[in-house]
Amino acid sequence: KQEVTQIPAALSVPEGENLVLNCSFTDSAIYNLQWFRQDPGKGLTSLLLIQSSQREQTSGRLNASLDKSSGRSTLYIAASQPGDSATYLCAVTSNSGYALNFGKGTSLLVTP
Amino acid sequence: DTGVSQDPRHKITKRGQNVTFRCDPISEHNRLYWYRQTLGQGPEFLTYFQNEAQLEKSRLLSDRFSAERPKGSFSTLEIQRTEQGDSAMYLCASRGGSSGLNYGYTFGSGTRLTVV
Repeated sequence: KQEVTQIPAALSVPEGENLVLNCSFTDSAIYNLQWFRQDPGKGLTSLLLIQSSQREQTSGRLNASLDKSSGRSTLYIAASQPGDSATYLCAVTSNSGYALNFGKGTSLLVTP
Repeated sequence: DTGVSQDPRHKITKRGQNVTFRCDPISEHNRLYWYRQTLGQGPEFLTYFQNEAQLEKSRLLSDRFSAERPKGSFSTLEIQRTEQGDSAMYLCASRGGSSGLNYGYTFGSGTRLTVV
């Protein structure tokens, strides 16, 4: 069974800092990995999707990397802003099924 | 509206009652998913439809839960004889692409169920 772990569980940084969120998964047989953002009480917003054959994806201030062989992904946020405060979720689609397997998320607070 | 719509946004029900939620996916998406999320946890997979066919169900989906997608468009999730442990956010997602799984998911805003 695919297990997804996110570290740290919570993070507080001052505005302007660059930061890294970590995600690890136990089964490297994946189709893709996706990062989501979730604001309190809301649904999920897709940020980046990395296919299993890719090493990284970038969107604006966000950069996600994937090392499938070691079962790791990182989400890099440059020049953080208070509006980035949210929970960030990592999820993988395994070769064995259709479902997304989620981590518990990293709760990010960016203080002005 | 080009997003995934869920109705209702909030539902409060008494234990033992039945509830039904609706999801309208993005119109051209043929894949539809239901997830459940409790506080402090990531979403957990419940079930998956490709067009009108229910192709996968989680063991989390007990016999009190049933989902349908009768015409391959909108979907409903019904919970019978609700229990307090059913209190959660129920999320619907859809995904397009005629082949392969390398298309991103679009999630709705969810239905928050509270069983009292």
